Amino acid sequence: DVKVTQSSRYLVKRTGEKVFLECVQDMDHENMFWYRQDPGLGLRLIYFSYDVKMKEKGDIPEGYSVSREKKERFSLILESASTNQTSMYLCASNRGRDTGELFFGEGSRLTVL
Amino acid sequence: KNQVEQSPQSLIILEGKNCTLQCNYTVSPFSNLRWYKQDTGRGPVSLTIMTFSENTKSNGRYTATLDADTKQSSLHITASQLSDSASYICVVSLNAGNMLTFGGGTRLMVKP
Repeated sequence: DVKVTQSSRYLVKRTGEKVFLECVQDMDHENMFWYRQDPGLGLRLIYFSYDVKMKEKGDIPEGYSVSREKKERFSLILESASTNQTSMYLCASNRGRDTGELFFGEGSRLTVL
Repeated sequence: KNQVEQSPQSLIILEGKNCTLQCNYTVSPFSNLRWYKQDTGRGPVSLTIMTFSENTKSNGRYTATLDADTKQSSLHITASQLSDSASYICVVSLNAGNMLTFGGGTRLMVKP
């Protein structure tokens, strides 16, 4: 079974703190994605990566950065957390350049106070 | 603008009843359409994929249909169970790379 593991299920941070969300997949997938999910807005793409060291902006990259130093690991970084970044963050991965099935992690619910 | 609209936003049905969820899209050029099920507090899981040439596809009690002419898809759930309580998300892929457009989801609650 494909396994996408997100390091933290629940986090509570204060405004201005730096936040790291880690994601690891064990299926040797080339592509990895970070989404945020908010009620009424659905899933919105923050960043994605097609390969190690590569990253591309999604629809809402402002306030976020990412790192992909190894193929299996994709990190989302909030340099200075703000209250409007309170959300559910979902990591996903898939194989190849075509629009194949996305395999999601369990999600990380971040609350910024 | 590429959009995916789902209806209803939420739905409550009694266990054992059938229901149909709708997905309308304006994505072009179209590659495929997937339905995902998301249990509360979990990540979405793919239920079925529909390509341009497919009209209907079943996965157990779930049956998806696609009308590429009217750009509509539906997900029919037969003989609902309590475990069907979840959000169902329609995702449409552009005919190029990993460009996806997500619907807002339908939240289904099945009551005993």
